[in-house]
Amino acid sequence: DTAVSQTPKYLVTQMGNDKSIKCEQNLGHDTMYWYKQDSKKFLKIMFSYNNKELIINETVPNRFSPKSPDKAHLNLHINSLELGDSAVYFCASGRPGEKNTEAFFGQGTRLTVV
Amino acid sequence: AQSVTQPDIHITVSEGASLELRCNYSYGATPYLFWYVQSPGQGLQLLLKYFSGDTLVQGIKGFEAEFKRSQSSFNLRKPSVHWSDAAEYFCAVGARGQNFVFGPGTRLSVLP
Repeated sequence: DTAVSQTPKYLVTQMGNDKSIKCEQNLGHDTMYWYKQDSKKFLKIMFSYNNKELIINETVPNRFSPKSPDKAHLNLHINSLELGDSAVYFCASGRPGEKNTEAFFGQGTRLTVV
Repeated sequence: AQSVTQPDIHITVSEGASLELRCNYSYGATPYLFWYVQSPGQGLQLLLKYFSGDTLVQGIKGFEAEFKRSQSSFNLRKPSVHWSDAAEYFCAVGARGQNFVFGPGTRLSVLP
């Protein structure tokens, strides 16, 4: 079974649309993350959720909103999509700071806004 | 706040040659350190990690890394590179109660 799975893998949409990317983890981790990887491969954390509480929002536009229906899911909703939102978005889960725990990543969602 | 630098944006080596990818971090206490690899079109896979103890850690695919506190470094090494090692490599730092911070990545190209 895939530890962290996100869907869809590819998403092409027009400017102004609203879209969602789903993420699920079956590792029992209590923290989930969304990262944005730009065209230069730079990974920037967008959100982390710990027990349904948002604990980081790194200057992300409020058009982006994470939704966590339960501990195993952290979905990313994006409103009024812009060209600059085109990127690869990665979901991850982990237990930050605990011994022997790293971040486990999904396969990524390549978002293209046209 | 934690930060990670990877001085080399792109490295090219010949197949069979040795490899060293540099990583420097900034953090006030002993960090947790990681190396991830991203193959084209794929997610990130953990190569190895350091939390404490022996400063030389072994990972998957024949990689190793050495933690040097005095230099704030966690360089990744491999004695003999294979063509399949061509990928993007990310160093990351974490700490108790803090989230993971990634370096900008180093792209590795392997010549036949």
